[in-house]
Amino acid sequence: GESVGLHLPTLSVQEGDNSIINCAYSNSASDYFIWYKQESGKGPQFIIDIRSNMDKRQGQRVTVLLNKTVKHLSLQIAATQPGDSAVYFCAETQYQAGTALIFGKGTTLSVSS
Amino acid sequence: GAVVSQHPSWVICKSGTSVKIECRSLDFQATTMFWYRQFPKQSLMLMATSNEGSKATYEQGVEKDKFLINHASLTLSTLTVTSAHPEDSSFYICSASGTDAETQYFGPGTRLLVL
Repeated sequence: GESVGLHLPTLSVQEGDNSIINCAYSNSASDYFIWYKQESGKGPQFIIDIRSNMDKRQGQRVTVLLNKTVKHLSLQIAATQPGDSAVYFCAETQYQAGTALIFGKGTTLSVSS
Repeated sequence: GAVVSQHPSWVICKSGTSVKIECRSLDFQATTMFWYRQFPKQSLMLMATSNEGSKATYEQGVEKDKFLINHASLTLSTLTVTSAHPEDSSFYICSASGTDAETQYFGPGTRLLVL
């Protein structure tokens, strides 16, 4: 089946830098996208989502950008902190009941002090 | 926010035995529950989707007779790994969605080690 992929498996940044994590998706029918953070040994934690009728959405220190033309999604983290170190996954789905998520491969973010 | 729990959080078993993992929605009714499996340094892979009172829908390549899923109530789904083998060792994660449909809430995961 179709899957979501990520461009970079690892990203290392200094504390205080801005981080950008990218994701490419392939299912044209997907209209809802979510970014998750997963710390070691834990389940995914919701960060931010975006529907396909938007191209940008901002949260606290995070911004998600969606480019439907090239099927590209990105997560921007401002002023990255050591606590942001984790694996980040993008996921795609359809905005309707009972539809499963398709996860990308994941990017490991390492933040050094 | 909505909370999903899993029990046990980790389990070690002998090869050939069966293991049951529970997934509970604590403060909402879960119309649909999903089971994922995650191997080390890999992404989450969907195993099956279950709706309350219905048979689960399994993804291609997932053996339904080996991974038994029961979703008997709106707050509980169980995954039973039958005749477990070392290659079944993995991190099993459930998620649940309620009547507001598109939002899924994830459990903390269950680490299974088969010796």
